[in-house]
Amino acid sequence: AQTVTQSQPEMSVQEAETVTLSCTYDTSENNYYLFWYKQPPSRQMILVIRQEAYKQQNATENRFSVNFQKAAKSFSLKISDSQLGDTAMYFCAFRTGNQFYFGTGTSLTVIP
Amino acid sequence: GAGVSQTPSNKVTEKGKYVELRCDPISGHTALYWYRQSLGQGPEFLIYFQGTGAADDSGLPNDRFFAVRPEGSVSTLKIQRTERGDSAVYLCASSYNGQGAGYTFGSGTRLTVV
Repeated sequence: AQTVTQSQPEMSVQEAETVTLSCTYDTSENNYYLFWYKQPPSRQMILVIRQEAYKQQNATENRFSVNFQKAAKSFSLKISDSQLGDTAMYFCAFRTGNQFYFGTGTSLTVIP
Repeated sequence: GAGVSQTPSNKVTEKGKYVELRCDPISGHTALYWYRQSLGQGPEFLIYFQGTGAADDSGLPNDRFFAVRPEGSVSTLKIQRTERGDSAVYLCASSYNGQGAGYTFGSGTRLTVV
């Protein structure tokens, strides 16, 4: 079975501080991609960052970086210098074949 | 178009009625996906089109759900005899060829069955 677990339903962080969102997953596949998506109230899923499972180097996109631990099947997201616009639901996902498998999301609130 | 467009944005229907949800993907994207997001959950896969054909419909929950993409661009998700449990946000995504990670999601249709 393909599963994604996000154990933090809600989190908050002070503006300009750093926050880490947790994600673990389970799959028997060897080739897959990992993602973090942001979903604001507009409902559109916006890609934050992605990681190819075969790459050991952790992906980084500006203020966003991941800690990918393949053996532990862990894929956490670190947001540095948090901004008010980062307030949203964050979904961890992996893709194998034609399907995405999403976690249940973490609601992040950035406090001014 | 510049993005994935879904219409209507919101739809309220009575239990037992038939509904159609439309997805207009990015021009030139051959791959199209439908997902369903229930309240408090992440999106769940419904169906994947490559061109005009449904390459994988394993996520459709039952035979009340059906989707078409007759010309390989716009897709319509059809739900017959709607039930209150069908209430959810239905998201559409498209990608150039189904490979890599270049998927773009639309803003979804919120379906409410009363």
